[in-house]
Amino acid sequence: DGGITQSPKYLFRKEGQNVTLSCEQNLNHDAMYWYRQDPGQGLRLIYYSQIVNDFQKGDIAEGYSVSREKKESFPLTVTSAQKNPTAFYLCASSRGDVRTDTQYFGPGTRLTVL
Amino acid sequence: AQKVTQAQTEISVVEKEDVTLDCVYETRDTTYYLFWYKQPPSGELVFLIRRNSFDEQNEISGRYSWNFQKSTSSFNFTITASQVVDSAVYFCALSEPPSNDYKLSFGAGTTVTVRA
Repeated sequence: DGGITQSPKYLFRKEGQNVTLSCEQNLNHDAMYWYRQDPGQGLRLIYYSQIVNDFQKGDIAEGYSVSREKKESFPLTVTSAQKNPTAFYLCASSRGDVRTDTQYFGPGTRLTVL
Repeated sequence: AQKVTQAQTEISVVEKEDVTLDCVYETRDTTYYLFWYKQPPSGELVFLIRRNSFDEQNEISGRYSWNFQKSTSSFNFTITASQVVDSAVYFCALSEPPSNDYKLSFGAGTTVTVRA
């Protein structure tokens, strides 16, 4: 089945630790995105990538880093510099044109900092 | 400034009632795209519809219908004869390619609870 997978579903981290969230897609989509969702709020864009080896900051990139070495994969690292990392993280992908294409979402990873 | 406003935070209805979710957007672009997504309790966002700014035709898909009115900058969503499975958070979103670096702006969402 084609789709987007995110792992793990739940993640717990101690303060001061970096943690990497996985996002994989087998839809042959060129563009991938990371969003953060806080309770009662909409989604905010962290990073996005239109093609392999290229990515741009979104609205709230501070404290996060990404890589795009493969078309299928777009991992997100939440660094210790992120002041309030506890949130629900959603990965998305779209066919190619970030301007017009529909974004499809994965199941999300819920990160809790202890 | 908020680009997408979903004024209704929560709506609760009894099964079989109709429910309308409001979405008001703000843009200076003439070309833009509007979306609705559903987020059930599992958390994954499910795509429902995409509409471009040049297509003002209303759309119906089963029990779902959408009313796009450029004159009032609104893109409202109606669920007819609601069912318990419709309980979810619904998000309206705006994409403004020419001016907003292709980013998708989401509203805060409306939580719909359908009671049996």
